[in-house]
Amino acid sequence: DQQVKQNSPSLSVQEGRISILNCDYTNSMFDYFLWYKKYPAEGPTFLISISSIKDKNEDGRFTVFLNKSAKHLSLHIVPSQPGDSAVYFCAATGANSKLTFGKGITLSVRP
Amino acid sequence: EADIYQTPRYLVIGTGKKITLECSQTMGHDKMYWYQQDPGMELHLIHYSYGVNSTEKGDLSSESTVSRIRTEHFPLTLESARPSHTSQYLCASSDPQGGNQPQHFGDGTRLSIL
Repeated sequence: DQQVKQNSPSLSVQEGRISILNCDYTNSMFDYFLWYKKYPAEGPTFLISISSIKDKNEDGRFTVFLNKSAKHLSLHIVPSQPGDSAVYFCAATGANSKLTFGKGITLSVRP
Repeated sequence: EADIYQTPRYLVIGTGKKITLECSQTMGHDKMYWYQQDPGMELHLIHYSYGVNSTEKGDLSSESTVSRIRTEHFPLTLESARPSHTSQYLCASSDPQGGNQPQHFGDGTRLSIL
């Protein structure tokens, strides 16, 4: 049973527009959520995180929103750039610090 | 920023061979992890370690074994490789100090067993 779900396998957006990547989780014990970006033939790179005590965290063009009641988080990228094209993984962890990952979503930003 | 290195990056090898995948980090992190990932799928934790001489099985059952004799080194071994072991193996580390900390990943080893 998948505890972290990224239901859309891909997303295509125009350069300069907003990219919204969604993630749902089922385990109410998760209290720390992360987004990773992965280019082909490279390992995942940490992008941004959010603790369950917050509902928003912002870092430059990247903002993560957390809705605990809905067990939903989203990553907003504004403005989107062609270099943002990659696979984005949502991950969550609780007290044991072990990460549970979603299957990832492939973002394509069209010039 | 963690510096974490995995070798080899790619390995194609025959069935029955013994394989060791290397992972080293230079940040002195106590926590280290091994993940397995198939194309289009999530990363699955197969082993983790919270310090020297500490190793635990992860959420996904694996025939591989690990050791943690030094803080910076966390190798993964397959005693007899099989085609079902074909996958990408990713190593990560994190600093346990200061509460929640992100895991930092190496670039992985893509393993193909013929």
